[in-house]
Amino acid sequence: DAGITQSPRYKITETGRQVTLMCHQTWSHSYMFWYRQDLGHGLRLIYYSAAADITDKGEVPDGYVVSRSKTENFPLTLESATRSQTSVYFCASRWGPSTDTQYFGPGTRLTVL
Amino acid sequence: TQLLEQSPQFLSIQEGENLTVYCNSSSVFSSLQWYRQEPGEGPVLLVTVVTGGEVKKLKRLTFQFGDARKDSSLHITAAQPGDTGLYLCAQETSGSRLTFGEGTQLTVNP
Repeated sequence: DAGITQSPRYKITETGRQVTLMCHQTWSHSYMFWYRQDLGHGLRLIYYSAAADITDKGEVPDGYVVSRSKTENFPLTLESATRSQTSVYFCASRWGPSTDTQYFGPGTRLTVL
Repeated sequence: TQLLEQSPQFLSIQEGENLTVYCNSSSVFSSLQWYRQEPGEGPVLLVTVVTGGEVKKLKRLTFQFGDARKDSSLHITAAQPGDTGLYLCAQETSGSRLTFGEGTQLTVNP
């Protein structure tokens, strides 16, 4: 199906483990984004990418790594998970400027024990 | 850092009532977007406003952009249970990024 997908939808891991969250979009959108959503903080930008092989930090990048070797994929890796990274993670994509529609994936609920 | 403040944070009303939620910024918006998020899903774009004083309507939803482009409101007429959700506003910041407010959690009771 066309659209933006995330996997896994739910993940439980332990402190110190490496975790990778996957994001795939079928529209060939230039921009892709990773957000985390926590009560009391709303949606906060972790990393974003304007095109393949171009990534930049957002508001809360510490402890996360991204890559974008292909336009359609934008994986997010937690190098050594901490309890403070327990959150719901959303991937998003859009074609061009910020006035374009930004499409969000269904989210990944991550719990770090 | 540009801040987006949304109010109220929570709103619980009965079906058929009208309501207004607000989004305010410490600086001028270049553009503003409103999203709705339902439980277990990602946010979905409702509208983008660009011009000061602009009013857009989407069925029972009316979006207004302040003349000074530092505030926006969303008015819902005759709310229905299907309007329940988290309403988020977002503004463009540097690098074509969007900064989101914390949202208004709306519950419409049958």
